Amino acid sequence: NAGVMQNPRHLVRRRGQEARLRCSPMKGHSHVYWYRQLPEEGLKFMVYLQKENIIDESGMPKERFSAEFPKEGPSILRIQQVVRGDSAAYFCASSVTRQAVNTEAFFGQGTRLTVV
Amino acid sequence: AQSVTQLDSHVSVSEGTPVLLRCNYSSSYSPSLFWYVQHPNKGLQLLLKYTSAATLVKGINGFEAEFKKSETSFHLTKPSAHMSDAAEYFCVVPGLGNTGKLIFGQGTTLQVKP
Repeated sequence: NAGVMQNPRHLVRRRGQEARLRCSPMKGHSHVYWYRQLPEEGLKFMVYLQKENIIDESGMPKERFSAEFPKEGPSILRIQQVVRGDSAAYFCASSVTRQAVNTEAFFGQGTRLTVV
Repeated sequence: AQSVTQLDSHVSVSEGTPVLLRCNYSSSYSPSLFWYVQHPNKGLQLLLKYTSAATLVKGINGFEAEFKKSETSFHLTKPSAHMSDAAEYFCVVPGLGNTGKLIFGQGTTLQVKP
């Protein structure tokens, strides 16, 4: 059973371009979470999705950021018109049910976005 | 609100000596708590979790942590450091409201010297 797969592992974008980050959850997992890790900081929650639904997007910036988790295919985190401050590592995690005390969330290796 | 504070951003130990990574939490109730490890260019891996069953929790790779309510602490320890323990360690608490989100501490970088 492959783990959580994120691609690309590294992504370089010029200011103003769009960045698309993909996350394929573990087999059988229908809950996906996105986190952002800025340099020298811990991970910050961005959004929690179930298949075709956004459950909690309280950590998403109000503009330029969007996320989806379609019925088929990976979850996508999309950043439009990237700026230098978007440079960070973006991690995806998945779980069988809603992450809770007895439900472990498994993390991918992350996508490191660099905006030049 | 739920929060965790990791008291050291960097810890350096010699191989074979004990490891202590400190974490204090803030919660309006007795929370669940986790420690995750992040090796360079790898994803995060769950080391151990506290779920109120026992205050001393044993995890993988010889790590353990003790929940102390009176001190609001959940420090991570290991009796003898190994070179492969060099990594970033995060103390984590679930967010309120059963939304599934995790709240991470700032992280502690553990360096292990030969």
